[in-house]
Amino acid sequence: AQSVTQPDIHITVSEGASLELRCNYSYGATPYLFWYVQSPGQGLQLLLKYFSGDTLVQGIKGFEAEFKRSQSSFNLRKPSVHWSDAAEYFCAVGALGNEKLTFGTGTRLTIIP
Amino acid sequence: DGGITQSPKYLFRKEGQNVTLSCEQNLNHDAMYWYRQDPGQGLRLIYYSQIVNDFQKGDIAEGYSVSREKKESFPLTVTSAQKNPTAFYLCASSIPDGDTQYFGPGTRLTVL
Repeated sequence: AQSVTQPDIHITVSEGASLELRCNYSYGATPYLFWYVQSPGQGLQLLLKYFSGDTLVQGIKGFEAEFKRSQSSFNLRKPSVHWSDAAEYFCAVGALGNEKLTFGTGTRLTIIP
Repeated sequence: DGGITQSPKYLFRKEGQNVTLSCEQNLNHDAMYWYRQDPGQGLRLIYYSQIVNDFQKGDIAEGYSVSREKKESFPLTVTSAQKNPTAFYLCASSIPDGDTQYFGPGTRLTVL
């Protein structure tokens, strides 16, 4: 069965500092990997996704993520965070032919001035 | 603009009542999904549908029912059998086969 672990429940970062959110997955086949962002009381917005090819993927809002098969990880990064990045971030795993996504429990990001 | 709409945004229900949440999409996606979100638990799949007139149970289907009579619509009914229905409900749609899911804005259901 597929699973996703986001080990950090809550992260606080100063505005302008760099950010890395961790995501580890468990899946027997080649995974599809996603990062979504959710503002309070809103739906989820796709930040980026990895299906195949280049293991470093670029997304919206200046985010990027790197797929490391040997570590079963897909960590999300941003070189300099803005106050508007405060939100909850979800990692998800799926696969070709598998109609379901499995989501992590999320990481809440707080930005301090 | 293409997208997913959910209505209402807030819904209040008395215990023992059934309530139906609406989800409509104009993205021409074949697959649609319902998730439940509770604090600290991420998203849990309730039901999903890959094609009109067909749907499958997800991980927490007990106390819920769905229909898929049209490609654009996938309503969710929260029945009185659902023991703890207060939650945030999210609808999503996608091209099938593991592709990206796109989400609606959600409905917050509160049982009084």
